[in-house]
Amino acid sequence: GQQVMQIPQYQHVQEGEDFTTYCNSSTTLSNIQWYKQRPGGHPVFLIQLVKSGEVKKQKRLTFQFGEAKKNSSLHITATQTTDVGTYFCAGPGSNTGKLIFGQGTTLQVKP
Amino acid sequence: NAGVTQTPKFQVLKTGQSMTLQCAQDMNHNSMYWYRQDPGMGLRLIYYSASEGTTDKGEVPNGYNVSRLNKREFSLRLESAAPSQTSVYFCASKSSGGAWETQYFGPGTRLLVL
Repeated sequence: GQQVMQIPQYQHVQEGEDFTTYCNSSTTLSNIQWYKQRPGGHPVFLIQLVKSGEVKKQKRLTFQFGEAKKNSSLHITATQTTDVGTYFCAGPGSNTGKLIFGQGTTLQVKP
Repeated sequence: NAGVTQTPKFQVLKTGQSMTLQCAQDMNHNSMYWYRQDPGMGLRLIYYSASEGTTDKGEVPNGYNVSRLNKREFSLRLESAAPSQTSVYFCASKSSGGAWETQYFGPGTRLLVL
């Protein structure tokens, strides 16, 4: 079946360092979404990418959608303690009513 | 406008007990979803309801049943709880079944089965 894989599973960084998480789909995606879950919280939508090669920025966060629309990345520049949490990518399943989530990357930031 | 609400927030069950997790949304969304979240496993879809009156199995439906009571409410029932069902359960909704729409999640129910 369709799979969405994310690496790494965990990342510990020193505050101020950069962070990147990668997302790979077994199939071509019409779009990809990114969510953030703070510790003890629930996933919250961050952004959606639709076009091949698309790059979007939200302050220190840069999201990229691959040319083949099978992979994506989230890069955080100069991490802060507020960036702590788990970041999920998600793509629509073959039944477009469903989202297939990656396993998530949990980011820890040491002050 | 509360968004997606879930009850209870926490629950402890003994093996074999039953319970129903409640979910409601006030955004007039058509589609609703139940996920479970376990360490290292991400969010796995249990059941979903693309619209009122319809329900479909997700990735891990065994041991669960659902009811789409009306457009607002989507409940998840554990008939005979097992320790393997210890997890955090999230309900989510979105406007319709379209691939372009984002999901809104509830705060979650933390379930421990002893």
